[in-house]
Order: sequence, then C-alpha cells, then structure tokens
Amino acid sequence: SQQGEEDPQALSIQEGENATMNCSYKTSINNLQWYRQNSGRGLVHLILIRSNEREKHSGRLRVTLDTSKKSSSLLITASRAADTASYFCATERSGNTPLVFGKGTRLSVIA
Amino acid sequence: GAVVSQHPSRVICKSGTSVKIECRSLDFQATTMFWYRQFPKQSLMLMATSNEGSKATYEQGVEKDKFLINHASLTLSTLTVTSAHPEDSSFYICSARDLTTKETQYFGPGTRLLVL
Repeated sequence: SQQGEEDPQALSIQEGENATMNCSYKTSINNLQWYRQNSGRGLVHLILIRSNEREKHSGRLRVTLDTSKKSSSLLITASRAADTASYFCATERSGNTPLVFGKGTRLSVIA
Repeated sequence: GAVVSQHPSRVICKSGTSVKIECRSLDFQATTMFWYRQFPKQSLMLMATSNEGSKATYEQGVEKDKFLINHASLTLSTLTVTSAHPEDSSFYICSARDLTTKETQYFGPGTRLLVL
C-alpha cells in the first residue's frame, strides 16, 4: 500500500526557478529516498536520508526530513528543462522491508 | 554502481497468453527482490516480495496464482503473468537488495507489457 503523499501533484515552473516538493508519510521509518522518473522510463535514485538525519545535499538537490511531522521536502535549485520528470518519495520501514512509494509530483520546467 | 537488468524491456502479447519477465542482479547477490507495477500516470505499487529459495509474499489484492514469482537463485527472480488480459497492461519494475549493503535497493529499468 502507498504510504507517502506528495504535494503538489503537479508543478510547473520557469527554468532557473527553484522547485520544492513535499512528502508526508504515516509510519516510523528507517530512511526516506527520493527518485526521479522520466516519462515511460525507469527510476533514477536521487538521494537517501536516514531517520537520524535532518538535511542532506547533493548538487542542486536539498532534502530535509522532519520525523516529528513525518514529512520530507525535496528542493531543486536553479531548475533546468532537463529536470522535467516525475519525482517520488519512498520510505523504508526497516532493514529488509520494501520501499513504499508516494503518489509523486510531476514537475514541468519550461525553458 | 550495482546493476539490475530486466528482460524483456517491452512485450506485446495476445489476451490469454502467459508472459515471463526476468529480473537479474548483475554484479551482486540479492536474497530479496521486489516486484512493482505502475499504471500510466500513477505511482509504483508493490506487488510482491520475492525471497530466494522460498515462496513469495504477495500484497493484498495481488493474485498469487496469476502472478507467479520464482526466485531460484541469488541473482534471478522471474515474474510470470499467467493468462494475461488487457487490464494487466502495465509497467512492471523489479528491485533487488544487495546482501552486503542492505540499505540500498537497486531498480531494474522496467518491462512494459501490452496485452491486446
């Protein structure tokens, strides 16, 4: 079953702007991960943040995690047209459990 | 990084036929593999957990007799869609967990199934 809820469901921005996507989940987690998926293609792993971490950076990506609110955000700075894709958060409850995906945010970056 | 392959990448079949999809971990061993299904413009939904040498664990609402899973080795899991119907048309994605780095799952590129 899906655990995560992404917000917004769709986001359209101009190239160069920042894009922020939010994810909420329901149960305790071991870690939370963000993935990107281009239309009709496979998943690309972006970043993993553990439950004891609050913020993580990778290039133009910044992820925050608030376990008290059971929420995470993904910030993409200085967006590019190539960032156009669907973005999913996925949570892992413990060491050998499957990832549970949120509904995703469809990001469109207009050149 | 670790690589997971799926074969075939896309398949078109007639209604009533069975389709087998392979998921292989190419450079690591995986006791556990997961099968997901994704309908157009929707998220990934977990279908089942495949454990090497034992029966798969299916999610609620997924028919185990229709979606047969075999995890015969530490590098191969297969999903067979039996008597496929048009409503089974979907994007099927597997993932595998590395035995040595249990935190990380690696996803295959997916198999697009179209049942006519």
